[in-house]
Amino acid sequence: DTEVTQTPKHLVMGMTNKKSLKCEQHMGHRAMYWYKQKAKKPPELMFVYSYEKLSINESVPSRFSPECPNSSLLNLHLHALQPEDSALYLCASTPSPGSTEAFFGQGTRLTVV
Amino acid sequence: GQNIDQPTEMTATEGAIVQINCTYQTSGFNGLFWYQQHAGEAPTFLSYNVLDGLEEKGRFSSFLSRSKGYSYLLLKELQMKDSASYLCAVGTTDSWGKLQFGAGTQVVVTP
Repeated sequence: DTEVTQTPKHLVMGMTNKKSLKCEQHMGHRAMYWYKQKAKKPPELMFVYSYEKLSINESVPSRFSPECPNSSLLNLHLHALQPEDSALYLCASTPSPGSTEAFFGQGTRLTVV
Repeated sequence: GQNIDQPTEMTATEGAIVQINCTYQTSGFNGLFWYQQHAGEAPTFLSYNVLDGLEEKGRFSSFLSRSKGYSYLLLKELQMKDSASYLCAVGTTDSWGKLQFGAGTQVVVTP
């Protein structure tokens, strides 16, 4: 199994809603990442979890709250988002932080209305 | 931080060769990655270079010169399915696990 699975694939939420994005991998990878990608732009790193601990937070607003319940799961909790937060949210994993190949999930297309 | 530059768009015909250049400035260089991304899909890994030289993988090859802060991705025998965005990304030891992506090069393959 060399997949990173993200759910849901698409999400539309209002600015007062609370929702969560989920990411799962069963490759035994110990580093997991959240990226945000706007249309026609490259992915931008948001968070890195290394051995289930948050190791990098790229000054992301607190309306985005990551969680790593165990080594296979990564969540991104969303609350009080703004329309400009609409983007493709990508999860990725690597065997260890900084190791060679990052496996990306298919992403969650988020629209904030 | 890192400055990563690559051309915005390149067009080539089916069966041809295209070379996508990437230049970067970084401290604590920890490898250069190339990813392919089709519209609306996730990036998929193509290649990784950490030492100088050429890495060949089928129709795709990637080259790195650390002293020049320069890499290229060479796509040979282009196929229509190669139409995609190609992202150059740099890893650094300053921030383990962080990949800094370039803006991407949109390759358009024409019949």
